Formats: sequence, C-alpha cells, structure tokens
Amino acid sequence: GENVEQHPSTLSVQEGDSAVIKCTYSDSASNYFPWYKQELGKGSQLIIDIRSNVGEKKDQRIAVTLNKTAKHFSLHITETQPEDSAVYFCAASIGDTGRRALTFGSGTRLQVQP
Amino acid sequence: GAGVSQSPRYKVAKRGQDVALRCDPISGHVSLFWYQQALGQGPEFLTYFQNEAQLDKSGLPSDRFFAERPEGSVSTLKIQRTQQEDSAVYLCASSPPPGLAGARQEAKNIQYFGAGTRLSVL
Repeated sequence: GENVEQHPSTLSVQEGDSAVIKCTYSDSASNYFPWYKQELGKGSQLIIDIRSNVGEKKDQRIAVTLNKTAKHFSLHITETQPEDSAVYFCAASIGDTGRRALTFGSGTRLQVQP
Repeated sequence: GAGVSQSPRYKVAKRGQDVALRCDPISGHVSLFWYQQALGQGPEFLTYFQNEAQLDKSGLPSDRFFAERPEGSVSTLKIQRTQQEDSAVYLCASSPPPGLAGARQEAKNIQYFGAGTRLSVL
C-alpha cells in the first residue's frame, strides 16, 4: 500500500519568514495530494491540494509543488503569521478521494514566533 | 450545522468497556470515512461507507471495531472491550457525491473532517 513520509516533524520560524514542509510517497499511482491544517479543538481543514496533472499550485501565501518523477511534494508558506501555527499533514490518494481513503504523513508542528 | 459533527468530543472509558462514537456528516454527502489518529501521528484509515454500504473496512484493527451507517447519513463507530491501545482521536470525514450537479470537479474529491472524538482508555 501507499506510504507517505513527512519532514520535518517540527519547524520553528520567525514571523514573516517562509516555511517549507516536504513529503514523499511510495505509490506511483497516487494522483491526488491534499494538505490539511490541524488546530486543537478544530477539525482538520484542507488548505490546498494538487493533482498529478499539474506541477505547482498557489493560493495567496500558500503554494504546493509536485515532482511526480521523484515522488515528492512540498508545502510552501510565505510571510508566515502567528496564526499559521498548527500541525500540518500531507496526504496522498489514488483516484477519486470521494471514494478512496487518504494516506497521511506523520505531521509537522509549525511554530511561528512573533 | 454546516460541517461534520462528532460526539462526544471526549470519552474516557475503563478497559473492557464498550464505547460508541457518533458522526453526523455534511448533509447530502454520500461518502463517509473513519480514521484513527494516535498521539503524534497522522490519521490512519479505518473504514469507508458509500451511503449505507460499507465498501471498505480493511483498516479496522480488530474484530472489536465495528462501524455502521444504517440510513446512509449518521454513522456510529463502536469499539467493544476497549484496550489501552485504542486510546486515540477518532476522526470522521465526509465527501460530496461524485455526480452532484453544480459541484466543481475538484470540490467533489475533498474530504471534510470533523473535530474528532478523543478516546482515553484507562
């Protein structure tokens, strides 16, 4: 089955700096890669996703890049703010995730220092 | 409500007790997933429903775990004879139907998560 590895496990940055979180996956058939933000007491929130037919996607301060050949994808957060502090999870799935489970990485705890 | 609702938020059980965790998906979502998240780890898949049909239960760790969704809406995850290793956060997610009129191609693939139930087995 699919295996997703995520690094680093913890990341501390100064407010305004950029943060990068990296994930690798094992199954070349995976074609959908979402990123979730998890905060205490709240549901995991999808912040951005990318499908295998594109190499990069951006939404304001958040971007995701995908390298299908190397089987890795990364989350980039620019101009970090204290409210970006949370645990971030990458995930991978094959096909339509409306009917397929997600395989998650182990998470990255991001701390943005004001 | 607008989101996935799970109850209770917290559950403490003595070892050997049975527990039942409830998930109310977003209205109209036919797909429903249960995940187990151990402390410091990512969520791990337990089981999947499409409407009332349980199409995949390959992630259930033992026959003490049982899930149902009898009317294709609310789902219950039941754990019998709880053990300490069952302590975790149990997450429920739902996803819109694939043929929903007006749904963006991308939106239909998103899984929307509830806040989870934190189970502690003493």
